[in-house]
Amino acid sequence: GENVGLHLPTLSVQEGDNSIINCAYSNSASDYFIWYKQESGKGPQFIIDIRSNMDKRQGQRVTVLLNKTVKHLSLQIAATQPGDSAVYFCAEFITGGFKTIFGAGTRLFVKA
Amino acid sequence: DAGVIQSPRHEVTEMGQEVTLRCKPISGHNSLFWYRQTMMRGLELLIYFNNNVPIDDSGMPEDRFSAKMPNASFSTLKIQPSEPRDSAVYFCASSFKVDTEAFFGQGTRLTVV
Repeated sequence: GENVGLHLPTLSVQEGDNSIINCAYSNSASDYFIWYKQESGKGPQFIIDIRSNMDKRQGQRVTVLLNKTVKHLSLQIAATQPGDSAVYFCAEFITGGFKTIFGAGTRLFVKA
Repeated sequence: DAGVIQSPRHEVTEMGQEVTLRCKPISGHNSLFWYRQTMMRGLELLIYFNNNVPIDDSGMPEDRFSAKMPNASFSTLKIQPSEPRDSAVYFCASSFKVDTEAFFGQGTRLTVV
């Protein structure tokens, strides 16, 4: 059959607006979560992380929210800029498994 | 620190040939990871080393793939023999500890024809 690539969710925002990227994680035992940004032709780059004993963490222009009840993670980017255009991955770390599992990613387009 | 360094950046090889990808992690990092990224499957963990010892290789697709870490500053991922379906971008990443953020290299884009 014909190969079909992953269909990445896409978010398109106007420059200056706030962006919210969502992620559903898979394992209720996961206790550490990371958001990575991947620009074209580059490797993923760490943005912000959060541990399961927290529900919110803020960085520079970014905020991560964690809802363990529904296994949901979100990344909020304030005043989105053209340089924020990239694919964003959420990753969950499963203690005892010694591995980080990456989600499929969300592509963010910033319109000037 | 120059970050995680991978070589080569691009590799084109013929089916059946041996391919070796190289990685120099960030000095002082104890954990090293090899990932493969494709449009079909996204980012997949292949193998993870801690203090130069392979801890989890359950992501290695088959016996054609092998990875080594002879010392704290060098790791290789070898594919022998290579097949067209191995075409992907291979990333090496390192972290200070397994449960801290990973720093990725620029990747090696492998094309097997």
